[in-house]
This record gives sequence, structure tokens and C-alpha cells, in this order.
Amino acid sequence: AQTVTQSQPEMSVQEAETVTLSCTYDTSESDYYLFWYKQPPSRQMILVIRQEAYKQQNATENRFSVNFQKAAKSFSLKISDSQLGDAAMYFCAYRSAQGAQKLVFGQGTRLTINP
Amino acid sequence: EAQVTQNPRYLITVTGKKLTVTCSQNMNHEYMSWYRQDPGLGLRQIYYSMNVEVTDKGDVPEGYKVSRKEKRNFPLILESPSPNQTSLYFCASRTIAGWNNEQFFGPGTRLTVL
Repeated sequence: AQTVTQSQPEMSVQEAETVTLSCTYDTSESDYYLFWYKQPPSRQMILVIRQEAYKQQNATENRFSVNFQKAAKSFSLKISDSQLGDAAMYFCAYRSAQGAQKLVFGQGTRLTINP
Repeated sequence: EAQVTQNPRYLITVTGKKLTVTCSQNMNHEYMSWYRQDPGLGLRQIYYSMNVEVTDKGDVPEGYKVSRKEKRNFPLILESPSPNQTSLYFCASRTIAGWNNEQFFGPGTRLTVL
């Protein structure tokens, strides 16, 4: 079974600085997707960015980018120019490209932005 | 507006009193699922459904039931709730077609079992 590990329960960063959230996963599959979700205090799950495993190029969405290292099974999220609105819980998630394709989540990292 | 709705948003109940959390989506999605979120554990899948009348267990199905009689609805049933089912619950849906199919989440239901 696939597992996702986020080893940083909490992180903090100064406003306007850059922060990187770590995520590792374990799988024997070659085709899959990886996601980062943001959960603000409203509890809504918001998709931040996604990466297809067959793509070597790292995904970017404005201030958010990933460092996808397939061989190392690592999928970190970099937030540039951090803003107060980025404060949230961030979840890394894995989804197989086969079968039931369920989302497997990491434990989450709580990000605090210091003004 | 494309959305997943859940009701109720908050619920406090007592041990053993049957309850149902409703979930509905208006996007004609085939796939629907339920997750529970607990501190330090992330979100874990309870049950999922690939289409009408097709349901299967996720990672933590004990104590829960689901049904999928209509494509848009996927209720979660706790027939005899216990305190260890106190959690934040999310319903989600997506299409099963294509590679790049985003999963949409409902707003969450905070359940407390006393």
C-alpha cells in the first residue's frame, strides 16, 4: 500500500520570505499523481498544485512550485513571497493512476506566517 | 455553481444514536468518497463509490455504512456512533474520465460523539 509522509508537523516563515514543505511517499507504481492541498481555518480543502509522475518538469502555479524527485520519491512544495493568506494546514497527497485511484494523504504541515 | 454539499456542518450527538451525514454533488461525477480527518493522521478514506450501486471499503470503514442509490448523493451512515468517531468528515467527488481529473471536496462536517 502507498504511504505519504510529511515529517514537519509545523513550519513558520516571515512574510515575503520563501518556505519549503517536505513530502515523501512510498510506492511501487510508475504512474501516479501527486498533489498539495491547502486547508485554511475555514476547513475547506483547496487544491494548490498537482504533478503527473510521467512529467519530468516541475509544476508551478504562480508563487507555488514543486520539486519532484521521482527516484527519491520526494515531492516538496515551495512557497515564494509568503503572504499572510498562505497560513494554513498543507497536505501532500498521492493518487494511483490505476484501480480505484484513491487519494492517500500525509499527516499535514501547519504553516504559520509571521508579519 | 459546481459544488459538493454536506449536511449538517456541525453535529453533537450521543453514543448509539443513529445518524446520517448527507453528501450531494451537482457535477455528474461518477466517483464519490468519504474521508475522516484526525490530528496527526491527515485524511483517511472511509468508503468510496465508482458509480451508482457500486461501493467499496476504504482504509477505515469500521462503524460506517454508505449507499449510492442516485448518482448525485452519497450519504454516510453511523448506525451506532461511538466517541472514537468524533472527527471532521469530508465528502469528495470527481469524474473518472481522463488523467487530470480534480477531486472536489465538500465543506466538511464536524461530528462530536459524547
